[in-house]
Amino acid sequence: AQKVTQAQTEISVVEKEDVTLDCVYETRDTTYYLFWYKQPPSGELVFLIRRNSFDEQNEISGRYSWNFQKSTSSFNFTITASQVVDSAVYFCALSEGRYGAAGNKLTFGGGTRVLVKP
Amino acid sequence: DADVTQTPRNRITKTGKRIMLECSQTKGHDRMYWYRQDPGLGLRLIYYSFDVKDINKGEISDGYSVSRQAQAKFSLSLESAIPNQTALYFCATSEEQGPGANVLTFGAGSRLTVL
Repeated sequence: AQKVTQAQTEISVVEKEDVTLDCVYETRDTTYYLFWYKQPPSGELVFLIRRNSFDEQNEISGRYSWNFQKSTSSFNFTITASQVVDSAVYFCALSEGRYGAAGNKLTFGGGTRVLVKP
Repeated sequence: DADVTQTPRNRITKTGKRIMLECSQTKGHDRMYWYRQDPGLGLRLIYYSFDVKDINKGEISDGYSVSRQAQAKFSLSLESAIPNQTALYFCATSEEQGPGANVLTFGAGSRLTVL
C-alpha cells in the first residue's frame, strides 16, 4: 500500500528565512505521481505541483523549489526567503498508476504547518 | 462562482441524525471524490466516482454512503452521525486524462460537528 510521511508537524521561521518541508513516500509501483498542496488559513486546498516518477529534475517556481530523489523516496519542498503569506499547512501526496486507472486517487501525508513570523 | 461548490459550509448536528453534504462542479470532470481531513492525519479518501455509474469505496468508507446524481453532482451521506465523524470534508474533481489528470480541484470544504 502507498504511504506518505511528513515527519515535521510544525515549522516556525522568521520572515526571509528559508524553510524546507520533508516528504517521504512508499509505493510498489514504478509509475506514480507526487504532489504538493497548500492549505492557507482560509481552508481551501491549492495545487502547487505535480511530478511524475520518470522525471527527477528539480523544479523551481519563483520562491518555491522541489527536490525529487527516487533513491531516497523523497520529494522535498523549499520556500526561499519566506513571507508571512506563506503561512499555511502544506500537504504532500502520492498517486499510483497511470492516467485512467486508479491513478487519480491521492494518498496524503499528515501535513506540515508553516508559521512565518514578521 | 466556484468550480467546485460544497453545501453546507458548516453544520452542527446531534448524534444519530442523518446528514447529507452536497457537491456540485462546473469543471465538466467525470471524476469526483470525497475526502475527510482530521488534524495530523491529512486527508483520507472516503469514496470516489469515475463516472455516473461508477462508485468506489475509499480507505474510510464505513459509516458513509454516496450518490452520484449526475456528472456534476456527488453527495455524501452520514446515515447516523457519530461524534468521531466530526471533521472537515472536501469534495474534489479531476480529469481522466490529459495534462490535468491526477490534479484534484477541491471545494472549499464542509465543516461538520457532531455533538
